[in-house]
Amino acid sequence: NAGVTQTPKFRILKIGQSMTLQCTQDMNHNYMYWYRQDPGMGLKLIYYSVGAGITDKGEVPNGYNVSRSTTEDFPLRLELAAPSQTSVYFCASSLQRDQQGDQPQHFGDGTRLSIL
Amino acid sequence: AQKVTQAQTEISVVEKEDVTLDCVYETRDTTYYLFWYKQPPSGELVFLIRRNSFDEQNEISGRYSWNFQKSTSSFNFTITASQVVDSAVYFCAGTSYGKLTFGQGTILTVHP
Repeated sequence: NAGVTQTPKFRILKIGQSMTLQCTQDMNHNYMYWYRQDPGMGLKLIYYSVGAGITDKGEVPNGYNVSRSTTEDFPLRLELAAPSQTSVYFCASSLQRDQQGDQPQHFGDGTRLSIL
Repeated sequence: AQKVTQAQTEISVVEKEDVTLDCVYETRDTTYYLFWYKQPPSGELVFLIRRNSFDEQNEISGRYSWNFQKSTSSFNFTITASQVVDSAVYFCAGTSYGKLTFGQGTILTVHP
């Protein structure tokens, strides 16, 4: 029962470095999401995807890029890391909207990223 | 734009007390879906419940119950006879067309 798997769990970056946060799900969900959670706050949507080859911006997309080449994988890339990107990043997936409406999202365990 | 307001930032109770977490969801959409998630100290997010805007029936699952009132856009969560294991951050969230908007969370601490 892997569900949504995120790697790495922790990472420290220097300002200006780049990295990719990996996310994969084995539930055959069409929809995938990236969120960030700053201390004491709720989650904010960075990017989302409704299927392979389709991505769209969320509430806070600046400084990030995504791609969705397969149903299973949805990596998040930081090109030029900045201290403001220090956060916990969560990947999530869900079934597509159906007659019952929006489906619950299933979350990975998060990646704690510090940029110094 | 949607907005989720959780009235309590922190709540502290003693074991076996009942506790209610308040949530108000503001949206112009007539159809929407509301969720509660639990984030224990280990950090993962656990889905608890989904409710659509058509259904105002209360729901009970064990010690958990939820009350949705569309007229006030409130979706409150009650834990009966709280336990130490209930200590967590609880998030209320709402969606329109799949995009979740989260509240800032309520930190619940249950003392033995």
